[in-house]
Amino acid sequence: GAGVSQSPRYKVAKRGQDVALRCDPISGHVSLFWYQQALGQGPEFLTYFQNEAQLDKSGLPSDRFFAERPEGSVSTLKIQRTQQEDSAVYLCASSAYAADTEAFFGQGTRLTVV
Amino acid sequence: AQKVTQAQTEISVVEKEDVTLDCVYETRDTTYYLFWYKQPPSGELVFLIRRNSFDEQNEISGRYSWNFQKSTSSFNFTITASQVVDSAVYFCALSEATLGGNEKLTFGTGTRLTIIP
Repeated sequence: GAGVSQSPRYKVAKRGQDVALRCDPISGHVSLFWYQQALGQGPEFLTYFQNEAQLDKSGLPSDRFFAERPEGSVSTLKIQRTQQEDSAVYLCASSAYAADTEAFFGQGTRLTVV
Repeated sequence: AQKVTQAQTEISVVEKEDVTLDCVYETRDTTYYLFWYKQPPSGELVFLIRRNSFDEQNEISGRYSWNFQKSTSSFNFTITASQVVDSAVYFCALSEATLGGNEKLTFGTGTRLTIIP
């Protein structure tokens, strides 16, 4: 596609509900990243994929957070038993895995847990 | 651990004025990348520049310029003759210089820039 696409753009979840956030990276991009951006803050790294391999998940805040990219393209970030502190914008980015390339970000999914 | 500090939370200037956004970073790595991103109200992060830690040359791109000073661990961003369309939140970021140079960005808290017509 022309850019990184994320869906849904907005999600309201009741506390305790499970949610799934989708990221469609730019076609052919090997690297995929998820970031969490709380209100008024900078994005914080969650996890990184190279193709289907999850190479770094050190930023996932708890075991309620799970990400996958089974075929090396579309990725899903799943949050189980959502809590109010999970409310944030979740940003996805993709890049071609090569020197001197940039990461392209999607518009994000704004998750509100009520 | 890596850290990026953007001390200016909000800045407002009148259109056509010049404005400088400050960024100070901390890292133990000898090789790293520095970035600036723009986040308009639509939410996506727009890439502006990437700088390798070995390249201290200042960069100019149209009305934008960047001043990288390793001695003070700073990577400041100046907009000349500001325009209303420059209004956005601007983020400075840092990454390790692995292959690709853009894994695991550490972002600052951002500076909200408002250009007053």
